[in-house]
Amino acid sequence: QVRLVQSGAEVKKPGSSVKVSCKTSGGTLPYSVNWVRQAPGQGLEWMGRIVPMLRITDYAQKFLGRVTITADKSTGTAYMDLDSLRSDDTAVYYCARASLGATQLDSWGQGTLVTVSS
Amino acid sequence: QSVLTQPPSASGTPGQRVTVSCSGSSSNIGSNTVDWYQHFPGTAPELLIYTNNQRPSGVPDRFSGSKSGTSASLAINGLQSEDEADYYCAAWDDSLNGYVFGTGTKVTVL
Repeated sequence: QVRLVQSGAEVKKPGSSVKVSCKTSGGTLPYSVNWVRQAPGQGLEWMGRIVPMLRITDYAQKFLGRVTITADKSTGTAYMDLDSLRSDDTAVYYCARASLGATQLDSWGQGTLVTVSS
Repeated sequence: QSVLTQPPSASGTPGQRVTVSCSGSSSNIGSNTVDWYQHFPGTAPELLIYTNNQRPSGVPDRFSGSKSGTSASLAINGLQSEDEADYYCAAWDDSLNGYVFGTGTKVTVL
């Protein structure tokens, strides 16, 4: 049984950065950890992914230069760092797992609300 | 601005068939497989259909997916009240080198 558990809600000031963690457990196959966000009233938006085993990352063009996704293989934890926060970064951030070579996100974390407000 | 376009809403009465379309291009749906997600507000999305028409274990067989050219479709046969949710298509985009979601469709059970 694959399980993803994310860190708790955050409140940040504009211009600061936030780091959200995602601890994965269960499953044996190589996988990627993806980050998806949903702003209030908006749809789902893919931000990027990491293959922890290979430390390979892909980022959505919109977030290039502002987001960094890392992973600690020893603890099975992935991290998403978002810099230069703006009010429109207020969203629920999800991590989700996909088997290596596949795109479908078959297991999801519970979501982390990040609020950016002065 | 998503590169996959869905109708904002769809509706039906219990027992009816409802379809949700997803329109893309040659760089995404035209050259890669399509996934569908069901999302209830306040919870995490769940994978509903993968690789165009495959259902994960536990997904009722009233949900089905299809793909043709640069478009895909989700069908819900025998609509039930618990199917009222937001539905998103998604596919890898070779030009953007990223996974893109559709604009989302809210399905309402009348």
